[in-house]
Amino acid sequence: SSELTQDPAVSVALGQTVRITCQGDSLRSYYASWYQQKPGQAPVLVIYGKNNRPSGIPDRFSGSSSGNTASLTITGAQAEDEADYYCNSRDSSGNHLNVVFGGGTKLTVL
Amino acid sequence: QVQLVESGGGLVKPGGSLRLSCAASGFTFSDYYMSWIRQAPGKGLEWVSYISSSGSTIYYADSVKGRFTISRDNAKNSLYLQMNSLRAEDTAVYYCARVGGIAVAGLWGQGTLVTVSS
Repeated sequence: SSELTQDPAVSVALGQTVRITCQGDSLRSYYASWYQQKPGQAPVLVIYGKNNRPSGIPDRFSGSSSGNTASLTITGAQAEDEADYYCNSRDSSGNHLNVVFGGGTKLTVL
Repeated sequence: QVQLVESGGGLVKPGGSLRLSCAASGFTFSDYYMSWIRQAPGKGLEWVSYISSSGSTIYYADSVKGRFTISRDNAKNSLYLQMNSLRAEDTAVYYCARVGGIAVAGLWGQGTLVTVSS
C-alpha cells in the first residue's frame, strides 16, 4: 500500500501563517483530507476535496495540492489551532479501495 | 443532534473477542458509508475497515483482515465491529466515523478504548 508522509512537528508564531504538508504517490490521483485532533478528543475534519471546509471550520484553514504533495495552510494561526493534524486519502496502489493516513504533524502555536 | 456513540470497548486477553457497536442519530444512517478507525496510545490514526451504505462493499486493512468483521443494521441505525483473535497490537481507541467518498471521515464518535492484555 501507499504511504503518506508528514513532518512530525511544526511551529508557528501566533497570528502568522503556517503550512503543513503531506506527501505520497496516492496524492497524484486523489485529494487529501485533513483532520485536527486536540488532546483527549476525537479528530475533526477541517479540509476535504480540492479545498472544502465543513460547516463550522474557520476560513483561516485552506487546502491545496500539487503533484504528490497536499498542503494545509492556516492563515493567522490562533492559540486554539494548536493540535495534531493528520492527512489521509485513498490508496492509489492495488485496487484503490484501501485508505491511508499520514503519521500526523504536531502544531505548536508560539 | 447529529452524533455517533461507540460502546463495547474494554479489557480482553490475547486471543479473545470483543464486539464494538456504534449508534448513529440525527441523520439518515442508511445513506452513508461507515468506517472504523483506530488510534493506538500515543500513536497516529489507522483506517481499520469500511462498509458501504447497503453493506454490499466492505474493505479491511491488512492488519485486521481475517480477524475483524464489520457489519451494519440500517433498521437500527447501528454499525458493528466484531473483533476476534485479538492481539496486543490491537490495543487502541476505536472510532466510528461517517464517511463520504470512502476516505473522507466527516463525523466521528468519541471513541471506545480496547485494551488487549493478559
